[in-house]
Amino acid sequence: DGGITQSPKYLFRKEGQNVTLSCEQNLNHDAMYWYRQDPGQGLRLIYYSQIVNDFQKGDIAEGYSVSREKKESFPLTVTSAQKNPTAFYLCASSPLIRAEAFFGQGTRLTVV
Amino acid sequence: GNSVTQMEGPVTLSEEAFLTINCTYTATGYPSLFWYVQYPGEGLQLLLKATKADDKGSNKGFEATYRKETTSFHLEKGSVQVSDSAVYFCALSDLIGVTGGGNKLTFGTGTQLKVEL
Repeated sequence: DGGITQSPKYLFRKEGQNVTLSCEQNLNHDAMYWYRQDPGQGLRLIYYSQIVNDFQKGDIAEGYSVSREKKESFPLTVTSAQKNPTAFYLCASSPLIRAEAFFGQGTRLTVV
Repeated sequence: GNSVTQMEGPVTLSEEAFLTINCTYTATGYPSLFWYVQYPGEGLQLLLKATKADDKGSNKGFEATYRKETTSFHLEKGSVQVSDSAVYFCALSDLIGVTGGGNKLTFGTGTQLKVEL
């Protein structure tokens, strides 16, 4: 079945450590996105990529980094510079031009 | 910039009651509008969409009409079930850039719906 796979589902990180969240899609979509969800704040865009080897900052990119070496993969690294990393992270993908986005099941990151 | 405002929750209803969740938006141009649903601990699922003014999106008994004159996209269902309990997000999409394509989704803060027997 086609879809978006995020792993792991739960992730714990010690303060000061970097951590990478995986996102893989087999929908052949060109565009991929990372969103952060906090209680009562909806979803906020971290980074997006429209094509391999290219990506742009979203609204809250500070403390995060991404790569897009393959069309189907868009990993997100939460660095130690992110001051408040505990959140639910959602990856999404879409075809280009006015299409809805499809979401993965999310990764819940907790800093301990 | 673009923004989406939806009614505060939680909304608590009895089974078979009528549901309305209000959503209004601010956007330049002609965005597409969406309702997504999120069940506990899961990602977002597309519930319905409308891509131009006066379009009505519908799915699983839910409906919403794209009203450009009132910049609204209210979600309705005639008879809710316990299984409809979830968080509902209104969103709009805007094309990214001139040549790149893809969608930048702007979300409302979500409305939690609780349906009781």
